[in-house]
This record gives sequence, C-alpha cells and structure tokens, in this order.
Amino acid sequence: DGGITQSPKYLFRKEGQNVTLSCEQNLNHDAMYWYRQDPGQGLRLIYYSQIVNDFQKGDIAEGYSVSREKKESFPLTVTSAQKNPTAFYLCASSNNGLAGVGDTQYFGPGTRLTVL
Amino acid sequence: GEDVEQSLFLSVREGDSSVINCTYTDSSSTYLYWYKQEPGAGLQLLTYIFSNMDMKQDQRLTVLLNKKDKHLSLRIADTQTGDSAIYFCAEGGTVRTDKLIFGTGTRLQVFP
Repeated sequence: DGGITQSPKYLFRKEGQNVTLSCEQNLNHDAMYWYRQDPGQGLRLIYYSQIVNDFQKGDIAEGYSVSREKKESFPLTVTSAQKNPTAFYLCASSNNGLAGVGDTQYFGPGTRLTVL
Repeated sequence: GEDVEQSLFLSVREGDSSVINCTYTDSSSTYLYWYKQEPGAGLQLLTYIFSNMDMKQDQRLTVLLNKKDKHLSLRIADTQTGDSAIYFCAEGGTVRTDKLIFGTGTRLQVFP
C-alpha cells in the first residue's frame, strides 16, 4: 500500500521549544517537499529535496530545518526561531522534482501544529 | 514575479455546474494543475493540462486554458455535496523555477 504518511496528525508545542514533524514515503520518489498552509494564503514552500543528502530552501525557510538522510524520509524541525509556527504543514513527494516535465506531486495528510 | 490568483469562495446548488477560475502571471509555465483539498486533509491531484492544450476533459471535470489571458478554469459538471472542498490551481515548470507555485485556493460549498 504505497503512499505518504505524516505524523503526528495534531501537535502542540510550548513557545521556545523545537519540534520535529515526520514525513515518510514508500513511492520510491526522489523529490520531497514541505509546505506550510495558512488560511487564505495557499501553500508556501518551506524546503525541498531532489535527492538524498541534498536540500534547498524554499520561500519561507527561516526558522525551519530539514534533513534527508534516507530517500523515504524528510523530517522537518520547527525551531524556536520561527516566529509564528501555528499552521497546517503538508509534506509531498514527486518522482524527480521537475514540474516542467509534468512531475506530479503527491501529498501526505498533513500535521496541524499549534503553539500554546 | 510569479503570482497565481483565485477567488476565495464559490457557492453552488447541487446538480448545477461549478466553474472555478485561476489567473497566473508567468507565461512560461509548461504545466498547470488542479488539486482538491478536503477538510483537514492533504491535497489530491485532480487533473493537469500541458500548456500547448486548450482543453482537457476527464469525466465530470473540464479544464480550459486561455494562454493569451493567462487564465485557467476548472468546470465541475453536476456538482455534488462531496465536491465541497478547497480547490487549488498551481503552475509548474516556469523559466524561473521548476517548483510548483500554488494559488490561494477557492473554497467550494455545495448546498442541496
């Protein structure tokens, strides 16, 4: 049963704490992505990785960090430096990361992070 | 720069057609996508269209692309209550970036 899983579904964090969101895929995709979704703002790209051991900043990388030690895993850490971390976080993966040749992104179910 | 715009809300009666519109600014986009997001869930790819096409039909879904006006639309025929969701358009494969650029999303509400 192939797909993308994210855990946990809901996450609560106290101010000043780091927290790590999990994303795993068994689709054998090379590329993985993290997006942040806020009401009325659509999806904004945080980080992406087109290959193991390599990743690039997206449009809103400040206050976030990632790692890509394994092809199937792309965890996102929300650090205390992120000023407004409460949001819905979506992970996605695609075959090769090249949208220009019709590379389709598949999304996980999301993690809702709330800072108390 | 790139910008993808959508109206925020659309309300239709069950059985009617829905038309969700999207405008984009980067004429070099090679693919344009429509995704659906149900409450509290991730995004599901509905369909996509290559930039050299004007129209694509897939069952109840029809995508129209007007490259001159940089306008994309998604028509859902015989709209059902299960179609209630947020619909995102996205452009991909521009000269600036190979990443997807998403619109703000249109919330479709279907009432009986």
